Amino acid sequence: SQELEQSPQSLIVQEGKNLTINCTSSKTLYGLYWYKQKYGEGLIFLMMLQKGGEEKSHEKITAKLDEKKQQSSLHITASQPSHAGIYLCGADSPQYNTDKLIFGTGTRLQVFP
Amino acid sequence: DADVTQTPRNRITKTGKRIMLECSQTKGHDRMYWYRQDPGLGLRLIYYSFDVKDINKGEISDGYSVSRQAQAKFSLSLESAIPNQTALYFCATRDPPGTGSSYEQYFGPGTRLTVT
Repeated sequence: SQELEQSPQSLIVQEGKNLTINCTSSKTLYGLYWYKQKYGEGLIFLMMLQKGGEEKSHEKITAKLDEKKQQSSLHITASQPSHAGIYLCGADSPQYNTDKLIFGTGTRLQVFP
Repeated sequence: DADVTQTPRNRITKTGKRIMLECSQTKGHDRMYWYRQDPGLGLRLIYYSFDVKDINKGEISDGYSVSRQAQAKFSLSLESAIPNQTALYFCATRDPPGTGSSYEQYFGPGTRLTVT
């Protein structure tokens, strides 16, 4: 079955620093989704990537999908306390021939002043 | 108003009790999902439904049942709650493929369930 591994599991950065979170799949990704979760709350959709080499940005967050479509990275530039939370990557699971998403275990980000 | 709502938001119950978690959506989506989230394990799929008559088990359905009362409502039941079902539960909805949307899942705010 397809698995998603995220790294690092947790990250503590000083405000203003850049950071990168990675999501690696054991199989080809047909759709890769990035979500942000504030502690104990629901998930907020950030971006979706489908094509190899695709890159999308929203405010200070940039997500990329590699050419082989097995790894995605989420990059935050000049981090702020509002970026703190849990970042989850999710992917479509084509082996089921359905539209279920599977998720990585998440990366917990803390940003201190 | 939120697109996906869940009730209750928090619940403490005792072992052996039956409990129902409810989810409602105003997105008009046919597809609805129930996940649980545990620390270090990410989100795991419990059940999913593509329409009122189509309900499917996810990867961790044992101990749970669901009911799709209408397109907009999808309930999750724990027939006899046990402590290891203590978790954060999320409901989600999604457009079917080919609708031209970003095809993202829309999540509810979650229900924090504690089984003592």
